[in-house]
Amino acid sequence: AQRVTQPEKLLSVFKGAPVELKCNYSYSGSPELFWYVQYSRQRLQLLLRHISRESIKGFTADLNKGETSFHLKKPFAQEEDSAMYYCALRRSGSSNTGKLIFGQGTTLQVKP
Amino acid sequence: DTEVTQTPKHLVMGMTNKKSLKCEQHMGHRAMYWYKQKAKKPPELMFVYSYEKLSINESVPSRFSPECPNSSLLNLHLHALQPEDSALYLCASSQRERVNTGELFFGEGSRLTVL
Repeated sequence: AQRVTQPEKLLSVFKGAPVELKCNYSYSGSPELFWYVQYSRQRLQLLLRHISRESIKGFTADLNKGETSFHLKKPFAQEEDSAMYYCALRRSGSSNTGKLIFGQGTTLQVKP
Repeated sequence: DTEVTQTPKHLVMGMTNKKSLKCEQHMGHRAMYWYKQKAKKPPELMFVYSYEKLSINESVPSRFSPECPNSSLLNLHLHALQPEDSALYLCASSQRERVNTGELFFGEGSRLTVL
């Protein structure tokens, strides 16, 4: 069975501090992994996908298949980063069914 | 137009009522989704439509009835709901269901309260 685990419900940091939101997954095949973000009063939107290997708003995430992790990192947090962050998994290739499975979410709070 | 639009934003209904939630997108996406989100919980998939055909039904009770009348519209018909069905219902779309790296575009949701 596929599962996504985000161990922290709340992560609180000061502005300028590094941020790491943890995500671990369990899936025996080859997964696609995503980070979605929901800012206050806004819709859920895609932040990053592992296959793109891009940096968005200073965030990066690397897929570590050995540790089955896809942690989200940013070297210097900004107040506008405060939001709910969801890690999500989807099966890839011929097993892809379009079904996206979300972790429980981590609220990031960046204090001034 | 790069948005998914959901109506109504808020809906209050009794357990004997029949109502519908509507979702619209004009991005040419051929996959559309209904998710249910309870407070402080992640979205949970309910249904997936691919090319206007039901592709996935996550064992959702029959009091929820989805409909995809054309490639731009997705409805969720509600009948004889229970108070525990109160939640935020999110619609999403993507280019295709099975395309790798396909991004989901979400609407703002319809907040449903069942009395």
